[in-house]
Amino acid sequence: GENVEQHPSTLSVQEGDSAVIKCTYSDSASNYFPWYKQELGKRPQLIIDIRSNVGEKKDQRIAVTLNKTAKHFSLHITETQPEDSAVYFCAASSGGSQGNLIFGKGTKLSVKP
Amino acid sequence: DAGITQSPRHKVTETGTPVTLRCHQTENHRYMYWYRQDPGHGLRLIHYSYGVKDTDKGEVSDGYSVSRSKTEDFLLTLESATSSQTSVYFCAISNRDSSDTQYFGPGTRLTVL
Repeated sequence: GENVEQHPSTLSVQEGDSAVIKCTYSDSASNYFPWYKQELGKRPQLIIDIRSNVGEKKDQRIAVTLNKTAKHFSLHITETQPEDSAVYFCAASSGGSQGNLIFGKGTKLSVKP
Repeated sequence: DAGITQSPRHKVTETGTPVTLRCHQTENHRYMYWYRQDPGHGLRLIHYSYGVKDTDKGEVSDGYSVSRSKTEDFLLTLESATSSQTSVYFCAISNRDSSDTQYFGPGTRLTVL
């Protein structure tokens, strides 16, 4: 089955710096890669996603890149702000009725003012 | 937030007792999921449903059962709770399969003493 590895597990940056979180996946059939942000005590919320027919997607300060050959994808946050502090999860799915969404173990991002 | 509620939001129970968690949605989404979240493990799929009376197992289904008699309700039952089932449980919904955006409920914190 699919396995998703996420690094680093913790990341501390200064406000205004960039943050990068990386994930690798094992199932070459995976075609959907969402990223979720979870603030303390809250539910996970989708912040951006990418599908296998696209190499990069951007939404304001957030971007995701996908390398299907190497089976890895990354989240890039530019000009970080204290409110970006949260746990971020990557995930991968091959879709279909049997393809479950498999999550990485999460990255705790701390943005210091 | 999508129209998803979970009940109860908090529960403390004793080992060996049955427990039922409820997820209710008002979005008329076809797919519903139950995840558990534990420190260091991210989100792991317990069971999911792809329609009324249609359910299947996820990666950590042992000790859990589910039922879906109506589109809007998805129940998770722990037949005989154990301390290893102490966790935060999240329900999620999606309109299509796991390659579609999943929206999460607010979560239920379950403690088994």
